[in-house]
Amino acid sequence: GDSVTQMEGPVTLSEEAFLTINCTYTATGYPSLFWYVQYPGEGLQLLLKATKADDKGSNKGFEATYRKETTSFHLEKGSVQVSDSAVYFCALRNAGNMLTFGGGTRLMVKP
Amino acid sequence: EAQVTQNPRYLITVTGKKLTVTCSQNMNHEYMSWYRQDPGLGLRQIYYSMNVEVTDKGDVPEGYKVSRKEKRNFPLILESPSPNQTSLYFCASSLSMGYNEQFFGPGTRLTVL
Repeated sequence: GDSVTQMEGPVTLSEEAFLTINCTYTATGYPSLFWYVQYPGEGLQLLLKATKADDKGSNKGFEATYRKETTSFHLEKGSVQVSDSAVYFCALRNAGNMLTFGGGTRLMVKP
Repeated sequence: EAQVTQNPRYLITVTGKKLTVTCSQNMNHEYMSWYRQDPGLGLRQIYYSMNVEVTDKGDVPEGYKVSRKEKRNFPLILESPSPNQTSLYFCASSLSMGYNEQFFGPGTRLTVL
C-alpha cells in the first residue's frame, strides 16, 4: 500500500536558520503530494502542494519539489521564524483519492 | 466565516460508555472525513463520506460508526469506547473527494479510561 515517511523530530533550530524536513513516499502511479502544517491546538492546514513530477509547491517562504526519481518531497525554508514552530505533515493522494499522511515532524524555532 | 467545527473539544470518558463527537461544516462541501492522530503514526482515516447517505470505511474503522443524514453534519459514534481509542480526532471536509484542499476542524481530544 501507499506510505509516507518523514524524518523524526523534533527539529530544533534558531531563528533565521535554514530548514529541511525530509519526506519520501511509496505509491503506485502518480500521486499528488502535500505538506500540511498544524499549529498548537489547531487542526491541519494545507501549506503547499504539487500534483506532478518536477512541480514546485511554495507558500509563506516554504518550498518543496516533487522528485519522482527519488520519490521525495522535501520541505525547505531559507530563514525560519519563531512563528513557524508547528508540526509538519507530508501527505500523498493516490488515484483512488485517498490521503495518506506521514508521522509528522515537530519543528521548534528558538529566538 | 468558512469553518469546520467539532464538539466537544475535550472529553474524558470510561470504557463502554457510548459517545458521539459532532462535526459540522458551513461550506456546502460534499466530502467529509474523520481521522485519528496518534504519536508517530500521523493521521489515519477512520471513515469518509462522499455525500449525503454515502459513507465508507477508511483505514481504521473498527469500533467506530458514522452517519451522514445532512450535508453539513458528519458525527462520529463510539458505541462502546475502549482505551485504545484514546486519541486526537479530526474532522475534515472538501468540495469533493478529489479536491486538493481539505479543511480540518480544531480536533477533539478523547481519553477513554
